[in-house]
Amino acid sequence: QQQVKQSPQSLIVQKGGIPIINCAYENTAFDYFPWYQQFPGKGPALLIAIRPDVSEKKEGRFTISFNKSAKQFSLHIMDSQPGDSATYFCAARERGQNFVFGPGTRLSVLP
Amino acid sequence: DGGITQSPKYLFRKEGQNVTLSCEQNLNHDAMYWYRQDPGQGLRLIYYSQIVNDFQKGDIAEGYSVSREKKESFPLTVTSAQKNPTAFYLCASSIGRQGAGTQYFGPGTRLLVL
Repeated sequence: QQQVKQSPQSLIVQKGGIPIINCAYENTAFDYFPWYQQFPGKGPALLIAIRPDVSEKKEGRFTISFNKSAKQFSLHIMDSQPGDSATYFCAARERGQNFVFGPGTRLSVLP
Repeated sequence: DGGITQSPKYLFRKEGQNVTLSCEQNLNHDAMYWYRQDPGQGLRLIYYSQIVNDFQKGDIAEGYSVSREKKESFPLTVTSAQKNPTAFYLCASSIGRQGAGTQYFGPGTRLLVL
């Protein structure tokens, strides 16, 4: 129940495309859902985060869509660029507990 | 510059040797964490500390040890009991105690076995 499932494992899009990465969870006590971006050989960096009382959040070209009833949330990257090529992790946290991370999605944006 | 630093960037361990990975933060965060990252897997929690002189085991603590003598520092020792230590190790911190804030990560240390 503490698991966060993430798909796809890898994703290739053309420049300007809109990659979508999906995550699903079972624990309804999760109350905070961040996305992290990680470049090879670097630590993950917080990209954007959402709480379950909001259905969508945008920051620049990055959007989180949240479906509380389906227990799913997704990351959309608008007008993707080759510099967005990285591994993306979703995560979830229940208050008072540690974060649970998805296995990651490796995104490649072709020029 | 505020942030989390980890050293060294690369570390080589010989059989039977203990090695220590450094993690320092100047963000004045209470909580600090160690994760292990293997290819194709999510981050797995090794140890975490919510306050100085206190720490708890995470999901994969066997073969590892930590200390938290100062708020800014949370070193991780990979002992000889850890039979498969080759991985990318990430240190993180958060402003609040467990569950109370977003985690921020350091640049990582890659540990390789000779």
